[in-house]
Amino acid sequence: QKEVEQDPGPLSVPEGAIVSLNCTYSNSAFQYFMWYRQYSRKGPELLMYTYSSGNKEDGRFTAQVDKSSKYISLFIRDSQPSDSATYLCAMSARDYGQNFVFGPGTRLSVLP
Amino acid sequence: NAGVTQTPKFQVLKTGQSMTLQCAQDMNHEYMSWYRQDPGMGLRLIHYSVGAGITDQGEVPNGYNVSRSTTEDFPLRLLSAAPSQTSVYFCASSARYPGSGSPLHFGNGTRLTVT
Repeated sequence: QKEVEQDPGPLSVPEGAIVSLNCTYSNSAFQYFMWYRQYSRKGPELLMYTYSSGNKEDGRFTAQVDKSSKYISLFIRDSQPSDSATYLCAMSARDYGQNFVFGPGTRLSVLP
Repeated sequence: NAGVTQTPKFQVLKTGQSMTLQCAQDMNHEYMSWYRQDPGMGLRLIHYSVGAGITDQGEVPNGYNVSRSTTEDFPLRLLSAAPSQTSVYFCASSARYPGSGSPLHFGNGTRLTVT
């Protein structure tokens, strides 16, 4: 079993739809959770960052962490064609010497 | 605000050639790292550094060397390029080590082809 699992997609939705992107993980020591957006031929860009369990909202984006289920989600409301990108989840444990662990990414297309 | 700057953007090498991928950050970040990204494989950590003079191996270090003589710069050296090193390379930095809760900030990558 991989440490972080993520459906690679591709996921196609119509403009205005609510998008749900998810990652599951196996290491209960993970405390910090991040979502990155990567446009084609660009580097990953930090979108959302959360610590431990709970929700965080930023504009049209909401990040959720459920540590009891080892499951994190990113919701995009009123999706736009400009949201078309690959979305990567990442996480790290609260220990010195640990590194970030990334999911493989989900490719999203928002169709006008 | 430049962030993480990588050069060159593109490079073509012949098998056996060597080269250095440059990475510089202007955020005074302690932690710097190199990843390669391949289709279906996601991001894989090559080498990382928690501060000037300190480097360590990641998941896929073979064929690559790094050094960190300053806080700002973290070059990646390919010693003898092989076709298996054809990939997109990303440099990333973080204010402190990963377990501190500081997120990673990425450069825009170097697309390397080895023929």
